[in-house]
Amino acid sequence: QSALTQPPSASGSPGQSVTISCTGTSSDIGTYNYVSWYQQHPGKVPKLMISEVTKRPSGVPDRFSGSKSGNTASLTVSGLQGEDEADYYCSSYAGGRVVFGGGTKLTVL
Amino acid sequence: EVQLVESGGGLVQPGGSLRLSCAASGFTFSGHAMTWVRQAPGKGLEWVSTISGNADNTYYAESAKGRFTISRDNSKRTLYLQMNSLRAEDTALYYCAKDFRLGHDYWGQGTLVTVSS
Repeated sequence: QSALTQPPSASGSPGQSVTISCTGTSSDIGTYNYVSWYQQHPGKVPKLMISEVTKRPSGVPDRFSGSKSGNTASLTVSGLQGEDEADYYCSSYAGGRVVFGGGTKLTVL
Repeated sequence: EVQLVESGGGLVQPGGSLRLSCAASGFTFSGHAMTWVRQAPGKGLEWVSTISGNADNTYYAESAKGRFTISRDNSKRTLYLQMNSLRAEDTALYYCAKDFRLGHDYWGQGTLVTVSS
């Protein structure tokens, strides 16, 4: 059982927006603004998409955005494209450790 | 260009040991915490351990405490993970990744550890 809870799947049509949630506790997401999101295509290395809740690393399209409210963080992908189909993982710093979510498989219909 | 290259994985019997290495280049190695993350076949990501840039501080997941030891040699720009008392559930692709709290902006390709008799 993962420390952070994500829906196992999400989907949307090209051009639509989809939001993936990530629920933690007051010991991780609720306390620290160190939430990250990773994209992983099959057989590939995870790629950092969002850091520190809302920051996009250089090269990440602005279609990807992050937010947080209380113990829940969210990743929104706007203007869905076929290349966005992948697994997405959230993570949070939790005071001397990092916790990951179980991952969400995003399907572009 | 940042590069992280893991090595040392392989097939080991339950109860055995392995030492993983991660050679880093393209950034100021000693200035960054380094982390090991693993991914069991078909499963999600799991944080294993982190070491601070100067090696003063180490952090471990409960699953690794008492069995794994993280270390680094800044003169060789290399990160290590000594894994003892290995179990079948340690079977995974082990990634080294740069940084800790702020998110892991660079990952290696991973080295596969298989624990089986």
